[in-house]
Amino acid sequence: KAGVTQTPRYLIKTRGQQVTLSCSPISGHRSVSWYQQTPGQGLQFLFEYFSETQRNKGNFPGRFSGRQFSNSRSEMNVSTLELGDSALYLCASSLGPRETQYFGPGTRLLVL
Amino acid sequence: DQQVKQNSPSLSVQEGRISILNCDYTNSMFDYFLWYKKYPAEGPTFLISISSIKDKNEDGRFTVFLNKSAKHLSLHIVPSQPGDSAVYFCAATGSARQLTFGSGTQLTVLP
Repeated sequence: KAGVTQTPRYLIKTRGQQVTLSCSPISGHRSVSWYQQTPGQGLQFLFEYFSETQRNKGNFPGRFSGRQFSNSRSEMNVSTLELGDSALYLCASSLGPRETQYFGPGTRLLVL
Repeated sequence: DQQVKQNSPSLSVQEGRISILNCDYTNSMFDYFLWYKKYPAEGPTFLISISSIKDKNEDGRFTVFLNKSAKHLSLHIVPSQPGDSAVYFCAATGSARQLTFGSGTQLTVLP
């Protein structure tokens, strides 16, 4: 079974721009969560989607948003990028809420 | 407020010996705990988990122990192999379902 895939793997943007990251979960998995990893803050939860609905949201500003499609694929969007948004963005999928989460390779975002 | 803490940023062990990685948590609502391994430029890889109704779970060379009264869990790797060298993250979850991660421990297994 193919694992979680994330595109693109690397991205360079400038301050003020917006970015959209994509995540395809493991086949059959209906829950998708997003995390941000930075050297200073570690791995932090962004949001979780299940059945196209956001079920949970972490402590991030409204510039961070996401959505899930009917095929369980998910996208996250960051608007008005700031230098501090430079991070590794990780997507994880699971069969459902409270099931073990399996991570993709991440998208490395650099904001200049 | 760090709800999941890994107080050792790094650990070095000899190949063949036991590696013990520790994790403490403060939130008594956490009821499911996981360990992930992470290599640079890759996503975390799930290793092993334990429910709060258990105090031990084994999977091959990996064993996780949970001490609920002390709010402490540990991951034992026996025997340690050079390929085990990676950053190990402890994570916890409760009814909120999101994973709360520790800061990670860099394990280096020396040949």
